[in-house]
Amino acid sequence: DTGVSQDPRHKITKRGQNVTFRCDPISEHNRLYWYRQTLGQGPEFLTYFQNEAQLEKSRLLSDRFSAERPKGSFSTLEIQRTEQGDSAMYLCASSLGTSGGKGDTQYFGPGTRLTVL
Amino acid sequence: AQSVTQLDSQVPVFEEAPVELRCNYSSSVSVYLFWYVQYPNQGLQLLLKYLSGSTLVESINGFEAEFNKSQTSFHLRKPSVHISDTAEYFCAVISSGSARQLTFGSGTQLTVLP
Repeated sequence: DTGVSQDPRHKITKRGQNVTFRCDPISEHNRLYWYRQTLGQGPEFLTYFQNEAQLEKSRLLSDRFSAERPKGSFSTLEIQRTEQGDSAMYLCASSLGTSGGKGDTQYFGPGTRLTVL
Repeated sequence: AQSVTQLDSQVPVFEEAPVELRCNYSSSVSVYLFWYVQYPNQGLQLLLKYLSGSTLVESINGFEAEFNKSQTSFHLRKPSVHISDTAEYFCAVISSGSARQLTFGSGTQLTVLP
């Protein structure tokens, strides 16, 4: 069990630049989630995939944020025209998708820390 | 809509003392409850969860939490803490009627003092 991995672990960028983060879920997991965590707060849900289908994206923070999971395996989160307020930890999680989906456990990656200068 | 309140942002406690981290939730439907722990510069790790059945759940490292439906609480306890328990602890819920996302509290920083 290699766990959820995220790349890069840290990203420093200038305001206005685009950034892309990658998440590789646990191999047999078909659900993948993105969260954002700002300093002193709990993670905040952004979006969610079941296999390659993006089933919930209304919580994406603006139209500058987009996510893909093209083959139902890894996922990418892109932020266009970054702003200083985008500085945060971006967390990815995956779950198996059993138990009717309601309570199946989400396992988190180490996160990507974004700093926008 | 669902929400989670962690009443204490910071809890300092001496080593080998007992600790309770409080968590209350709000939801109009049934919930599933989780505690996650986050060590410095690391991701979230699942500590324990309540899905159904016994309202008292335990983790492998001595923590326990009790689901109290009437008080809408899921407090985390440990009878004797160690220095290595120093971390941020997050309570989270999924409502049975919601999409799949976890709703987190704002976290409690547990600091164990020698």
